[in-house]
Amino acid sequence: DGGITQSPKYLFRKEGQNVTLSCEQNLNHDAMYWYRQDPGQGLRLIYYSQIVNDFQKGDIAEGYSVSREKKESFPLTVTSAQKNPTAFYLCASSIGRDLYNEQFFGPGTRLTVL
Amino acid sequence: SQQGEEDPQALSIQEGENATMNCSYKTSINNLQWYRQNSGRGLVHLILIRSNEREKHSGRLRVTLDTSKKSSSLLITASRAADTASYFCATYGGGSTLGRLYFGRGTQLTVWP
Repeated sequence: DGGITQSPKYLFRKEGQNVTLSCEQNLNHDAMYWYRQDPGQGLRLIYYSQIVNDFQKGDIAEGYSVSREKKESFPLTVTSAQKNPTAFYLCASSIGRDLYNEQFFGPGTRLTVL
Repeated sequence: SQQGEEDPQALSIQEGENATMNCSYKTSINNLQWYRQNSGRGLVHLILIRSNEREKHSGRLRVTLDTSKKSSSLLITASRAADTASYFCATYGGGSTLGRLYFGRGTQLTVWP
């Protein structure tokens, strides 16, 4: 089946630790995105990548880092510099490099900082 | 902010009734998209309407777009309990925010059996 997978579904982290969230897609999409969602809120863009080995900051990139070494994979690292990392993280992808396409979402990772 | 804003924030109806959600946005758009999110899940794309379209249908969904008022509406006809979810509108940014999709805070729809 084609789609986007995120792992793990739930993640717990102690304060001061870095943690990496996985996002993989087998849709052959060029563009990939990371969003953060807080309770009762819409999605806010953290980072996005329109092509392998290139990525851009979104609106809330501070305290996060990404890499795009393969077309299929776009991992997100939540660093200890992120002051309030507890949230629901969503990865998405879209076909081609057209900037106006629909996005396909993964099931999300819920990160809780203890 | 370039976010769209959905109205109402919450909507509660009985099965069989129609549900209407509205979205207002601030900047000129290439297209406007509607997504659904079931509790604790990822978003699912429902429908995309281009700026030169006024109305679009998909099954029980009907979307309208009024670019002069910078607004859109999503109508779900003959609602079912399975339609219970949050619904978001989204538009792409322009200029320095080109390529970024902006979401509103969503309308929480509850459909009672």
